[in-house]
Amino acid sequence: EPEVTQTPSHQVTQMGQEVILRCVPISNHLYFYWYRQILGQKVEFLVSFYNNEISEKSEIFDDQFSVERPDGSNFTLKIRSTKLEDSAMYFCASSELPPGTGGGEQYFGPGTRLTVT
Amino acid sequence: AQSVTQLGSHVSVSEGALVLLRCNYSSSVPPYLFWYVQYPNQGLQLLLKYTSAATLVKGINGFEAEFKKSETSFHLTKPSAHMSDAAEYFCAVTGSNTGNQFYFGTGTSLTVIP
Repeated sequence: EPEVTQTPSHQVTQMGQEVILRCVPISNHLYFYWYRQILGQKVEFLVSFYNNEISEKSEIFDDQFSVERPDGSNFTLKIRSTKLEDSAMYFCASSELPPGTGGGEQYFGPGTRLTVT
Repeated sequence: AQSVTQLGSHVSVSEGALVLLRCNYSSSVPPYLFWYVQYPNQGLQLLLKYTSAATLVKGINGFEAEFKKSETSFHLTKPSAHMSDAAEYFCAVTGSNTGNQFYFGTGTSLTVIP
């Protein structure tokens, strides 16, 4: 069964460093998403991406964040200068159908745990 | 605006007992509702979804949920818990006016006692 994959599973970085989290969405999906979950808190939407551009982003997704689809398979989330409060589990998701529709269920990867020290 | 509230961050049931995980939603438009499960060290897996068809929705692994508009609820149930059901469960809502966003609850951790 096709699945979303994410690498690395765990990333430790120092405050101020740049990190890139990588995701490989399901191959025939066209809509891509990043979410994060700070320990003990809700899963929060960060950004959605379609047709090589951001469709929607939340207030969390400020100028230190960026997303890219550098090739036909990868979808990346870059954090330019990490802060302690960026420590969280980051989930990538993809969907075949447009979001906001009932059929547009999102398939999630296993997550990358980011620890900023 | 859309949101979901999951009552009970931790639920423990005995093996073979009824599982009931609560989710209440707030939505200004007819919602689409989802239950996801997360097993340790894995991603979120869709259990079931409500998309304005039948109000009683059956999902994988024997789970089902009933959409009750009058109660703004979408509780998840399973008649008989198995040890393998131990996991984190998330309720989520989206709607025609939420754009690309899923709004998740804080999750409920289910423990199954042998």
